[in-house]
Amino acid sequence: NAGVTQTPKFRILKIGQSMTLQCTQDMNHNYMYWYRQDPGMGLKLIYYSVGAGITDKGEVPNGYNVSRSTTEDFPLRLELAAPSQTSVYFCASSYSSGNTGELFFGEGSRLTVL
Amino acid sequence: SQKIEQNSEALNIQEGKTATLTCNYTNYSPAYLQWYRQDPGRGPVFLLLIRENEKEKRKERLKVTFDTTLKQSLFHITASQPADSATYLCAPILTGFQKLVFGTGTRLLVSP
Repeated sequence: NAGVTQTPKFRILKIGQSMTLQCTQDMNHNYMYWYRQDPGMGLKLIYYSVGAGITDKGEVPNGYNVSRSTTEDFPLRLELAAPSQTSVYFCASSYSSGNTGELFFGEGSRLTVL
Repeated sequence: SQKIEQNSEALNIQEGKTATLTCNYTNYSPAYLQWYRQDPGRGPVFLLLIRENEKEKRKERLKVTFDTTLKQSLFHITASQPADSATYLCAPILTGFQKLVFGTGTRLLVSP
């Protein structure tokens, strides 16, 4: 059982480049999330989704886009990368409403923008 | 605005002692509160959920309390071990609210 899988694990981007962080889960969870975590800081919610075709903004959505065409996949798109987007990105999913169910996290994608 | 506060300074304790971590929240009333553990370079792992009417929840050496009057949750690890060294995150949750927001976490260091 793979759980939540994120790719790539590491990536270096130049300023202005674009890329997509991939996230897939095999637990048939309805709820999926993207967080970023800066060194020594907590997790900040970027976007979340309550089901296929439904997404909404979190605390720090600027500079990012998401889509949810299937239950399994929740890719995060970075357009025009900036140094401020250097961070570790975590994808997570949950089974129930997200209000009581635990979140299952991926191993993270470490992004550096130079 | 809503705020979640955890002690940003690392907590250093001796093996065998009880570690107590604090999670304070302001300007909202969560119905549930989750605690997670995060090891360096890894994603957080769920530990416990406590509901507002439970006051206290236990799981092996872990104990969590939830005081809605003080707007505070305490996370205890009894008989702490060096393997308990990690960062612990709290996440208060509103009923019917899907955005799961975390505190900044407290780093625990248990010395042999």
